[in-house]
Amino acid sequence: ETGVTQSPTHLIKTRGQQVTLRCSSQSGHNTVSWYQQALGQGPQFIFQYYREEENGRGNFPPRFSGLQFPNYSSELNVNALELDDSALYLCASSGQGLAGGFRTQYFGPGTRLLVL
Amino acid sequence: DAKTTQPNSMESNEEEPVHLPCNHSTISGTDYIHWYRQLPSQGPEYVIHGLTSNVNNRMASLAIAEDRKSSTLILHRATLRDAAVYYCILSNMWGGSQGNLIFGKGTKLSVKP
Repeated sequence: ETGVTQSPTHLIKTRGQQVTLRCSSQSGHNTVSWYQQALGQGPQFIFQYYREEENGRGNFPPRFSGLQFPNYSSELNVNALELDDSALYLCASSGQGLAGGFRTQYFGPGTRLLVL
Repeated sequence: DAKTTQPNSMESNEEEPVHLPCNHSTISGTDYIHWYRQLPSQGPEYVIHGLTSNVNNRMASLAIAEDRKSSTLILHRATLRDAAVYYCILSNMWGGSQGNLIFGKGTKLSVKP
């Protein structure tokens, strides 16, 4: 069973640029969530995708957007990068719980983005 | 979503038990209590979860107070590999806000040899 993988591991961009981060979900998982983790803070929820549709969004502006593909892998796109976007971006996948409710989330190692 | 309160940091000696507390006084009847941990330079890792009864798995035990307003994660014999930030999180059993997890700052556990 392959775990959650993310690419790239590290990335340096300049202010105003655009970035795309990628995530491959764990085998059998149909839901992907993205989180942003600033230094010294806990992860903050960005949005979630379920079966290729956005299924909830945290308090992030529209320049944060995403996609989920038929194989359930996902992309996070950030436009017009700002210095404060420098963070660790985490992807988590989850599957259908036994009762259709609680789903354990399995996290990837993250992509560390630095905006200069 | 309900909030949790955890100490900022704790220290433990290797091979001794560790009790990590979490207060969640506003927990609702349908909130699960989850624990995740994050080792340095890694993504968070699921540890354990429970609803009302105490739970045990290969990693840890979860003790839940009778009124469910607090819980304790128990590591029976701490190892150096257990040094991490431990997050206590509440999530509605039906997935809360589309099932996302709301992380606080967690408790940074240091383990001394």
